[in-house]
Amino acid sequence: GQSLEQPSEVTAVEGAIVQINCTYQTSGFYGLSWYQQHDGGAPTFLSYNALDGLEETGRFSSFLSRSDSYGYLLLQELQMKDSASYFCAGAPLNYGGSQGNLIFGKGTKLSVKP
Amino acid sequence: KAGVTQTPRYLIKTRGQQVTLSCSPISGHRSVSWYQQTPGQGLQFLFEYFSETQRNKGNFPGRFSGRQFSNSRSEMNVSTLELGDSALYLCASSQGDPGTDTQYFGPGTRLTVL
Repeated sequence: GQSLEQPSEVTAVEGAIVQINCTYQTSGFYGLSWYQQHDGGAPTFLSYNALDGLEETGRFSSFLSRSDSYGYLLLQELQMKDSASYFCAGAPLNYGGSQGNLIFGKGTKLSVKP
Repeated sequence: KAGVTQTPRYLIKTRGQQVTLSCSPISGHRSVSWYQQTPGQGLQFLFEYFSETQRNKGNFPGRFSGRQFSNSRSEMNVSTLELGDSALYLCASSQGDPGTDTQYFGPGTRLTVL
């Protein structure tokens, strides 16, 4: 089936670097997106990798390797406010027609400790 | 620009009832997607509408339906509610295909079925 796998929880300390991995088991996706969701809030877009390689946006970077069916989100200089759930998401290549069927991983809960 | 709005924010219903949720996308966005979020299953895709047409549908029973109006506003309906329908229902809008364009999420409607 089509699924994206992420670790369920990650803990890190302020100022550290953390990497959240996302592996997928399908024929592939059009690209890989990352969303952040704070408790009680709505998911907000962080980054999108249309092509293989690294995309950098401030303290956050995201990487995609289609040949390895793998991507990751890298968070640097962690802050307490980064404590949230992080989701990877993609629209399957084999869906046909539009890329409207976005599949989400189950999310990684990041806890940043002082 | 105003963000995605959803009404109502909270809803309590009993089994067997039906419910209608509303979503107003960001002005100019033609794609509206609906997701169900539960602690156990994460974010699951319900359906996506573009220019009043349902383009994609997730793996949910026929009790879940939706529509989109000419002004891009969308509604989803759940009939014959079951306890398992208790969830946060999120809608998201994008200018084009959700798989490649950034999705902007609304705050969600928290549905509780008693």
